[in-house]
Amino acid sequence: QKEVEQDPGPLSVPEGAIVSLNCTYSNSAFQYFMWYRQYSRKGPELLMYTYSSGNKEDGRFTAQVDKSSKYISLFIRDSQPSDSATYLCAMGAGGTSYGKLTFGQGTILTVHP
Amino acid sequence: KAGVTQTPRYLIKTRGQQVTLSCSPISGHRSVSWYQQTPGQGLQFLFEYFSETQRNKGNFPGRFSGRQFSNSRSEMNVSTLELGDSALYLCASSPKQGFTEAFFGQGTRLTVV
Repeated sequence: QKEVEQDPGPLSVPEGAIVSLNCTYSNSAFQYFMWYRQYSRKGPELLMYTYSSGNKEDGRFTAQVDKSSKYISLFIRDSQPSDSATYLCAMGAGGTSYGKLTFGQGTILTVHP
Repeated sequence: KAGVTQTPRYLIKTRGQQVTLSCSPISGHRSVSWYQQTPGQGLQFLFEYFSETQRNKGNFPGRFSGRQFSNSRSEMNVSTLELGDSALYLCASSPKQGFTEAFFGQGTRLTVV
């Protein structure tokens, strides 16, 4: 079983829809949670970073972390065609796991006009 | 503020050769991590450097090595290239010594023929 499982998708939604992306994890040591967006042939772009349970909002994006259930989500409101990309969740344990992020496999999102 | 810069962007090498990839982190960032991204395995952690010291290493063979210079720039080297080494190699930089968000470069696309 992988340490991080991400809903594989692909996901196709109409413009303006609310998108929900999800990851579950098994390693209780994970303390830091990130969401990245990756366009084709580009590097991952950091969207959200959080280290506590609860919600964090940034514009149209909301990251949700539930450490008791080992579950994280990213919500995108009023989705746009420019949001079409692969979304990756990533987690870090801190301590001596310096710099090591464990990634989900990614969810391909397409927002059609 | 300039982002993470990786050079070259594309490389084609022959089996058995060696290759060196370069990464310049965001100004002021001292932690540099390297990742390999393939369609089958996703993003996998290679190693992390801070103040010229390797602090963490992933599960890759010894053919994969790296170093960091006093100006925080980093290089990774792959010797005796195999076809399976074809991948997107990504470098990420982080601002602090403890676990913080990681910012990725655009990557180097390595093709081994």
